[in-house]
Amino acid sequence: EAGVTQSPTHLIKTRGQQVTLRCSPISGHTSVYWYQQALGLGLQFLLWYDEGEERNRGNFPPRFSGRQFPNYSSELNVNALELEDSALYLCASSLAGTSGISTDTQYFGPGTRLTVL
Amino acid sequence: GQQLNQSPQSMFIQEGEDVSMNCTSSSIFNTWLWYKQDPGEGPVLLIALYKAGELTSNGRLTAQFGITRKDSFLNISASIPSDVGIYFCAGPYSGGGADGLTFGKGTHLIIQP
Repeated sequence: EAGVTQSPTHLIKTRGQQVTLRCSPISGHTSVYWYQQALGLGLQFLLWYDEGEERNRGNFPPRFSGRQFPNYSSELNVNALELEDSALYLCASSLAGTSGISTDTQYFGPGTRLTVL
Repeated sequence: GQQLNQSPQSMFIQEGEDVSMNCTSSSIFNTWLWYKQDPGEGPVLLIALYKAGELTSNGRLTAQFGITRKDSFLNISASIPSDVGIYFCAGPYSGGGADGLTFGKGTHLIIQP
């Protein structure tokens, strides 16, 4: 069974540009999560999508946005890129994020390495 | 979101030694998770804990959910070279239920042969 896939693997942009990152969850998973892993800041929760809806977001400005498609794949968009946006962006998926009982296991993709110059 | 304090930040040990790391929170968690991340890869779940006081093992790994629900520890016994990596504790971003995860800063484990 294929794991979580992300594209592209690496990306180089300049300040002020916009970027779109893509994620395909494990087949059958309806929840997709996005995380930013910047040097020195660790893994930080960005966004959670389930069944096409944004369910929660972390402490990031509105220029970080995304969406989830009917096939449960997801995009993360970052507008007006800043130097500090350079990071590894990780996507994770889980079976059903809204069970409300426990945290379903999140399976992570390999990430997209974004460099902003 | 919740803040997790993970220690130590890094560990330099000899192969065969036991390892212990812990994580604390200022707020109550109802789930504690331990992940490992290898270079160039995403984190992989090692152990999940759902009940205060719970002690769970996965091979040479043992983790416990503190009874105060504000802490957890992970032990690795008889370390081997493939244990090298970064270990993260994590819990639900809003403290409980299904959600994104908040992570500790990680413990870098380095094993000297």
